[in-house]
Amino acid sequence: NAGVTQTPKFQVLKTGQSMTLQCAQDMNHEYMSWYRQDPGMGLRLIHYSVGAGITDQGEVPNGYNVSRSTTEDFPLRLLSAAPSQTSVYFCASSLAGGENEQYFGPGTRLTVT
Amino acid sequence: EDQVTQSPEALRLQEGESSSLNCSYTVSGLRGLFWYRQDPGKGPEFLFTLYSAGEEKEKERLKATLTKKESFLHITAPKPEDSATYLCAVGEYGNKLVFGAGTILRVKS
Repeated sequence: NAGVTQTPKFQVLKTGQSMTLQCAQDMNHEYMSWYRQDPGMGLRLIHYSVGAGITDQGEVPNGYNVSRSTTEDFPLRLLSAAPSQTSVYFCASSLAGGENEQYFGPGTRLTVT
Repeated sequence: EDQVTQSPEALRLQEGESSSLNCSYTVSGLRGLFWYRQDPGKGPEFLFTLYSAGEEKEKERLKATLTKKESFLHITAPKPEDSATYLCAVGEYGNKLVFGAGTILRVKS
């Protein structure tokens, strides 16, 4: 099993550009989530999904969109990048739901200039 | 407001010098407390889950304990390879994990 995979590993965007961060898992987990990690702060939940076709907002959803068409994939879209979105983004999945242990991907480091 | 606070922010130990990391929390509807290890440039790696006060879990040189308000991660005779950031998170109703900011541990040989 590859676990949770994310692409790209690094990305530089200009303000106003859009892009999609990819996330996939091969563990047949129903729950998937996106977090951002900033220096001195804990991981903050952006969006999550409890199954294909179902998504919901987390703590910091503004400026991000998600969809879940399959169990395996959970892409995160930045609609119009802003410097405040410079961060490291992690995708995670869980077999038993969001309030239980989650397994994380390797992360995408995004810089918006 | 639900909060998870970890202390200290950073900890430097000599190899073999045992110590503890603290995670205190104020959340409603605790569903579990989780410890993760994060190496530079990598995603968090799951270590332990604790569900009820008095529970303990061990893995190699690490032991996690839980009370009603806090958790400790005890590190016994640490080695340089234990150097990492240790993250604490609490699960709460509504499919959420709330994370602390982490403790950066450096173990020198």
